[in-house]
Amino acid sequence: GAVVSQHPSRVICKSGTSVKIECRSLDFQATTMFWYRQFPKKSLMLMATSNEGSKATYEQGVEKDKFLINHASLTLSTLTVTSAHPEDSSFYICSAWGQAEEQYFGPGTRLTVT
Amino acid sequence: QKEVEQNSGPLSVPEGAIASLNCTYSDRGSQSFFWYRQYSGKSPELIMFIYSNGDKEDGRFTAQLNKASQYVSLLIRDSQPSDSATYLCAVEVGGGGNKLTFGTGTQLKVEL
Repeated sequence: GAVVSQHPSRVICKSGTSVKIECRSLDFQATTMFWYRQFPKKSLMLMATSNEGSKATYEQGVEKDKFLINHASLTLSTLTVTSAHPEDSSFYICSAWGQAEEQYFGPGTRLTVT
Repeated sequence: QKEVEQNSGPLSVPEGAIASLNCTYSDRGSQSFFWYRQYSGKSPELIMFIYSNGDKEDGRFTAQLNKASQYVSLLIRDSQPSDSATYLCAVEVGGGGNKLTFGTGTQLKVEL
């Protein structure tokens, strides 16, 4: 199946700093990628849809100025958590649709803000 | 409001038994349905997808879809301890955009 990678897999940062998470589709081109966050023992919550070459579409309640998304190429989308705070600590997961119309997830990035 | 509902469990079954996981959804316009397995601390991995009413089998897994009842289920035959995980039901939101709405997941425990 299609492979989606994320980097870093784990990051610890201090409150007030910014963190960038990369999501790559390794063996296919993805015009659309999705960013989710997941709190412990909760389900995935869609944050935004990342569109190659255009602005991301954010879900209701997600601050676009805090969670900056850039989809500069057909294989790379980045999520930057700006001025991170402890409540932003979560598991961030990206996904992309493969050619077989199946959505594949990256391995996730665990963010801890101290 | 478009929702996907699952019983959070845990659902405990003995090794070798059939595990039955259920999911209901509210958006009648939904056309695509997915089951993901998620181990603790890991991201979801796709098990099966189903688009048409009826059953779809893949190895030990069978997905069942009933659009009239807005119900989708996953059966796991010959359950193994390695099947112990959280199973997420996901529904593609009607109206296009390829967005998925996830249920909260059912925790399955397969006991020796």
